[in-house]
Amino acid sequence: QQQVKQSPQSLIVQKGGISIINCAYENTAFDYFPWYQQFPGKGPALLIAIRPDVSEKKEGRFTISFNKSAKQFSLHIMDSQPGDSATYFCAASMSTDKLIFGTGTRLQVFP
Amino acid sequence: NAGVTQTPKFRILKIGQSMTLQCAQDMNHNYMYWYRQDPGMGLKLIYYSVGAGITDKGEVPNGYNVSRSTTEDFPLRLELAAPSQTSVYFCASSYSSTIGNTIYFGEGSWLTVV
Repeated sequence: QQQVKQSPQSLIVQKGGISIINCAYENTAFDYFPWYQQFPGKGPALLIAIRPDVSEKKEGRFTISFNKSAKQFSLHIMDSQPGDSATYFCAASMSTDKLIFGTGTRLQVFP
Repeated sequence: NAGVTQTPKFRILKIGQSMTLQCAQDMNHNYMYWYRQDPGMGLKLIYYSVGAGITDKGEVPNGYNVSRSTTEDFPLRLELAAPSQTSVYFCASSYSSTIGNTIYFGEGSWLTVV
């Protein structure tokens, strides 16, 4: 019940296209859902996060969509660029608890 | 503006050897974490600490030990290294683990056990 399931494991998108990464969780007590971005040879860094009181959060080309009833959330990258090529991790936590990470999605954006 | 600093960056160990991965943060964060990252497996929490003198086990603590004598430092000790400990290790810190607080990661330590 503590797992966060992430898909796909890898994703290839053409420049300008939309990248979509999905995550699902079981624990309804989770109340914080961040996405982390990791470039090769670097540590993950916070990209964008959402709380379950909203269904969508947008920051530039990055949008989180949240479906509380389905216990799913997704990251959408609009107008994907080669510089977006990285590994993306979704995560979830309960207040005052540790983050549980998904298994990661390797995104490759080709020009 | 160093953030979270890990050393060494790369290390090769022989089976049965021991070593310590060093981690220091200069953000005065009270929470610190050690994760390992294996291909296709995401980030697994090894140990974490909520403050100096307090540590607790994460998901995969076997074969590791930690200590937290100061707010800044959180070393990870590998005893009797095994090939299964070949991985990338990330130290991280946050002001607290309460909702909305960002976890800051170091750049990682690549460890190979042969």
